[in-house]
Amino acid sequence: GEKVEQHESTLSVREGDSAVINCTYTDTASSYFPWYKQEAGKSLHFVIDIRSNVDRKQSQRLTVLLDKKAKRFSLHITATQPEDSAIYFCAASMQGGRALIFGTGTTVSVSP
Amino acid sequence: ETAVFQTPNYHVTQVGNEVSFNCKQTLGHDTMYWYKQDSKKLLKIMFSYNNKQLIVNETVPRRFSPQSSDKAHLNLRIKSVEPEDSAVYLCASSRLGGRGEQYFGPGTRLTVL
Repeated sequence: GEKVEQHESTLSVREGDSAVINCTYTDTASSYFPWYKQEAGKSLHFVIDIRSNVDRKQSQRLTVLLDKKAKRFSLHITATQPEDSAIYFCAASMQGGRALIFGTGTTVSVSP
Repeated sequence: ETAVFQTPNYHVTQVGNEVSFNCKQTLGHDTMYWYKQDSKKLLKIMFSYNNKQLIVNETVPRRFSPQSSDKAHLNLRIKSVEPEDSAVYLCASSRLGGRGEQYFGPGTRLTVL
């Protein structure tokens, strides 16, 4: 079955700098790649996603890149703010109503 | 308010007891899921339901069973809980047969003593 590896377990950045989180997946049939944010003591909150028919998607300060050949996708956060501090999870799934397979999470800490 | 609702927020019980968690979504979605998040924050799919049909069951122990009365509700029952069942159980829902983004509930934290 699908396996998703999230490469950075922790990431510490200064406010205003950029942060990049990298994930790889194993199943070429995966076509949907969302990212979720989990703040301390809270549930998962959807932040952005990308589908396999595109290789880049941007939403305000967030950009997701997808490299299907390398089976790799990444989340780029620009102009980081303290409120960006949280655990970020990448995930993958196939079309047709499959469940999400999550990475292990990256704890992002943004210091003033 | 449209969202994913879960009850209870917390539950503490003894080994061997039976527990049941409720989940309701008011988003008009057609697919619902249960995920388990362990103490290391690892997330794993347990079940998903689409139009009352179980479509995913990821080698979950038999003591776990999902229960759905309609597409807006997906409950989780655990018969005879064990210490390793201590975790946060997250309910989620999505539309378009699961190809859309999933919305998560606040979670139910289970502690087994």
